[in-house]
Amino acid sequence: DAKTTQPNSMESNEEEPVHLPCNHSTISGTDYIHWYRQLPSQGPEYVIHGLTSNVNNRMASLAIAEDRKSSTLILHRATLRDAAVYYCILRLPQGGSEKLVFGKGTKLTVNP
Amino acid sequence: EAGVAQSPRYKIIEKRQSVAFWCNPISGHATLYWYQQILGQGPKLLIQFQNNGVVDDSQLPKDRFSAERLKGVDSTLKIQPAKLEDSAVYLCASSPRWGGPIETQYFGPGTRLLVL
Repeated sequence: DAKTTQPNSMESNEEEPVHLPCNHSTISGTDYIHWYRQLPSQGPEYVIHGLTSNVNNRMASLAIAEDRKSSTLILHRATLRDAAVYYCILRLPQGGSEKLVFGKGTKLTVNP
Repeated sequence: EAGVAQSPRYKIIEKRQSVAFWCNPISGHATLYWYQQILGQGPKLLIQFQNNGVVDDSQLPKDRFSAERLKGVDSTLKIQPAKLEDSAVYLCASSPRWGGPIETQYFGPGTRLLVL
């Protein structure tokens, strides 16, 4: 599975934007970039995914570098509820077993 | 829409005892996953079912772990006998179709197991 590299932790203030980086220098042309987050004492939840173009949804934006070797998850206005571990994951089409391979993720702390 | 249900939420057992976890996926979801999450790490896939067939169990310690998904709906994961290193959160997830590369997985709250 292609590897991703994320900072262990980041800190932000409430109502400020947060940029969570992810490096994936060995990404292949067909790998999708997914982000999940895990709130304390809960299971992971889907945030966003993309392939080549930047993506927006109600939760966040995903900015993908032109060479696809890195991406950034953007939370436009952090709230206390956004404090979680954020996982950047690559998923390769493998004909039936496109499992999620989680790393350690980035623990985001949001200060009031 | 009801989410993925898991029970029990917490379990404490002695080593060498047996334990079973239950998962009810989102209604109509074809693919079901069991993950193990050790403290401080990301979840690791143990087994993936599509309907009631196993798609991937390459990381399931088959000498002590077993899982089944009867009638393609509910699933149980069993550990027999448990070891200290099995202490972890066991997460169940489901996805609507065949678990493809853009398909979202929906996770349950997990079962926290402590083996003493």
